[in-house]
Amino acid sequence: GENVEQHPSTLSVQEGDSAVIKCTYSDSASNYFPWYKQELGKRPQLIIDIRSNVGEKKDQRIAVTLNKTAKHFSLHITETQPEDSAVYFCAARRGGGATNKLIFGTGTLLAVQP
Amino acid sequence: GAVVSQHPSWVICKSGTSVKIECRSLDFQATTMFWYRQFPKQSLMLMATSNEGSKATYEQGVEKDKFLINHASLTLSTLTVTSAHPEDSSFYICSASRETGYTFGSGTRLTVV
Repeated sequence: GENVEQHPSTLSVQEGDSAVIKCTYSDSASNYFPWYKQELGKRPQLIIDIRSNVGEKKDQRIAVTLNKTAKHFSLHITETQPEDSAVYFCAARRGGGATNKLIFGTGTLLAVQP
Repeated sequence: GAVVSQHPSWVICKSGTSVKIECRSLDFQATTMFWYRQFPKQSLMLMATSNEGSKATYEQGVEKDKFLINHASLTLSTLTVTSAHPEDSSFYICSASRETGYTFGSGTRLTVV
């Protein structure tokens, strides 16, 4: 089955700096890769996603890149702010649509220091 | 937007008792519901996938007789933790699939004492 590894497990940056979180996946049939932000005790919130037919996607300060050959994808947050502090999870899903399960990475605790 | 209502948000129960968690899709039909468990400072671990009107598919290592899942309608799925023990204490969260993606419930914090 799919296995998703995520690094680093914790990341501390200064406000205004960039943060990068990396994930690798094992199933070459995976074609959908979302990123979620989860605050303590809350539900995960989708922040950006990318499909396998695209190499990069950007939404304001957030971007995701995908390297299908290497089977890894990364989240980039620029100009970090204290409110970006949270746990971030990557996930991967096989083709076939949303009836297929999401497999989550191990999570990254991002702390943005004011 | 699409909303999944999950109840209760927290529950404390005694060892040996059963607890039922409900997830309702309020403004869309959820043909597939995923149930996750999340221990403190850990990731979301998929427990099972349920499709409306059929038996749930459990992930390896998840006891189907202990975690009963019912998905009797397109708007309601339930997870019952039977004979709960302290090691079942966790954050349980459902996720409904839609054409455009996934909608998560708000989660249930279960504490077994």
